[in-house]
Amino acid sequence: EAGVVQSPRYKIIEKKQPVAFWCNPISGHNTLYWYLQNLGQGPELLIRYENEEAVDDSQLPKDRFSAERLKGVDSTLKIQPAELGDSAVYLCASTPGQGSGELFFGEGSRLTVL
Amino acid sequence: GDSVTQMEGPVTLSEEAFLTINCTYTATGYPSLFWYVQYPGEGLQLLLKATKADDKGSNKGFEATYRKETTSFHLEKGSVQVSDSAVYFCALRDTGNTGKLIFGQGTTLQVKP
Repeated sequence: EAGVVQSPRYKIIEKKQPVAFWCNPISGHNTLYWYLQNLGQGPELLIRYENEEAVDDSQLPKDRFSAERLKGVDSTLKIQPAELGDSAVYLCASTPGQGSGELFFGEGSRLTVL
Repeated sequence: GDSVTQMEGPVTLSEEAFLTINCTYTATGYPSLFWYVQYPGEGLQLLLKATKADDKGSNKGFEATYRKETTSFHLEKGSVQVSDSAVYFCALRDTGNTGKLIFGQGTTLQVKP
């Protein structure tokens, strides 16, 4: 069974440029998460989807960050414009339903903003 | 709000040494508790979990016991191997039952031959 797939693995951009990250969750997983992981820190939730609905986006900085999950499968996280402080690893995770508590993570997308 | 605190790393051990990584939590209810591990170049993966007080989670020789009285979930292994070198994250599932995981800051373990 394929795991959670994220792309790109690495991205280097200049500040004020836009960037987008893509996530393909495990087949059949209805719940999808985007987490932010700063260097030396644990992951912090940005947004959670149940199918195509964003049910928890309270931690998403909506002035520059946006996300979508069309058709309740793949998801895209966008930053526009990027700032130096956005340099981090962006993690996508999925789970069959919120009951299990076990999240399956992708390898992450490492963003460097210069 | 709910939170998790882990011992700071890095933790450096020789092969076959005993490992303890401390984890304590703050929560208003009785959350499920988890240890996730991140091997170099890989994504986080679940190591073990416990869903109620006094439960013991175990996997790959690692163990952790849910201690309600001390609000702790310390990770232990009797004899570490070089292949255990990784970053270990303690986490709790928020008591609002949304499925949201709250993570500690992670503890890096380095095992030397």
